[in-house]
Amino acid sequence: QKEVEQDPGPLSVPEGAIVSLNCTYSNSAFQYFMWYRQYSRKGPELLMYTYSSGNKEDGRFTAQVDKSSKYISLFIRDSQPSDSATYLCAMSPFTGNQFYFGTGTSLTVIP
Amino acid sequence: ETGVTQSPTHLIKTRGQQVTLRCSSQSGHNTVSWYQQALGQGPQFIFQYYREEENGRGNFPPRFSGLQFPNYSSELNVNALELDDSALYLCASSFDRGEAFFGQGTRLTVV
Repeated sequence: QKEVEQDPGPLSVPEGAIVSLNCTYSNSAFQYFMWYRQYSRKGPELLMYTYSSGNKEDGRFTAQVDKSSKYISLFIRDSQPSDSATYLCAMSPFTGNQFYFGTGTSLTVIP
Repeated sequence: ETGVTQSPTHLIKTRGQQVTLRCSSQSGHNTVSWYQQALGQGPQFIFQYYREEENGRGNFPPRFSGLQFPNYSSELNVNALELDDSALYLCASSFDRGEAFFGQGTRLTVV
């Protein structure tokens, strides 16, 4: 079993939709949780960085962490065609320690 | 732009050869991590350097080696290249092992 599981999609939604992206994990030691966006043939771009359980909001993006269920989510409101990319979840037991990534979810927002 | 610069952007090597990839970290950052991302997969941790010392290593053979310089830039060296080494190699920099920001990556093709 992989330490981090992420549905690879692909996910296709109309412009303006609310998008929900999810990851599950098995290692209860994970405390730091991140979401990255990766455009084709580019490096990952940090979207959200959270510690422990709870919610964090930044503009159209909301990250949720439920440590009791070992489940994290990223919500994108009012999705735009420019949001079309692969979204990677990542997590770590300690700050700055090695990150464990999901395989990424491919998202397409249709105008 | 994250301020993390990788070179070269693309590289083609023959099986058995050696390669050196370079990373210039963001100004003020003292930690560099290297990841390997195969097509359709999430990044896999290779190793991390913190203040010029190796600070953790993933499940990669010894032919993957690295170095961090006093200005915190870094090199990844791979000896005896294999076809499976073909991937996007990502460098991420951070300050004191905090939030990590990725470069654009070096796409290595081994033929």
